[in-house]
Amino acid sequence: GAGVSQSPRYKVAKRGQDVALRCDPISGHVSLFWYQQALGQGPEFLTYFQNEAQLDKSGLPSDRFFAERPEGSVSTLKIQRTQQEDSAVYLCASSSPRNEQFFGPGTRLTVL
Amino acid sequence: DAKTTQPNSMESNEEEPVHLPCNHSTISGTDYIHWYRQLPSQGPEYVIHGLTSNVNNRMASLAIAEDRKSSTLILHRATLRDAAVYYCILRDTNAGKSTFGDGTTLTVKP
Repeated sequence: GAGVSQSPRYKVAKRGQDVALRCDPISGHVSLFWYQQALGQGPEFLTYFQNEAQLDKSGLPSDRFFAERPEGSVSTLKIQRTQQEDSAVYLCASSSPRNEQFFGPGTRLTVL
Repeated sequence: DAKTTQPNSMESNEEEPVHLPCNHSTISGTDYIHWYRQLPSQGPEYVIHGLTSNVNNRMASLAIAEDRKSSTLILHRATLRDAAVYYCILRDTNAGKSTFGDGTTLTVKP
């Protein structure tokens, strides 16, 4: 079956622009996660959903970051007024009932 | 979050076994030990996980110490395609947040 998909794969934004990153999880997976990965480092947790409920957003670095999953499937990570330090790969994962996380390929965001 | 400690890098020869260690001395009773790997320009890939007993699957084996304060991921015959960053993380049964760390970069030499 299809895995986790993310779009766009690459995004270049000018500083100050808003961006929206999409994640399509594996069908039926209840849990969905967003991570930020800087070059040469491991993924850093941003936020976590169970169905449409955002249960943990402790990793969101500022109030410019906002995530939603209104119908409990597709999720969108929105970054407002992007800054250069937001440049990173944004990874989405969904979790099976066995608690294995399946990751998408990521969206590489470059803020100029 | 319970923390894991891994060596920054390891090297192996092709077709030889590889043992990747992970220390997790502050593990709690409900934490599962998960391993993921990440190839260049890809998202992390699930490898294996376990709670107390050793586990085997088609990709690897996971050996868990009796006190659960350390574990070892075993690749039985390394191939060039196994060259990746390997992450050991702890996930609670009701897991939300995961803390990844910087992992071990495995280099496989032909």
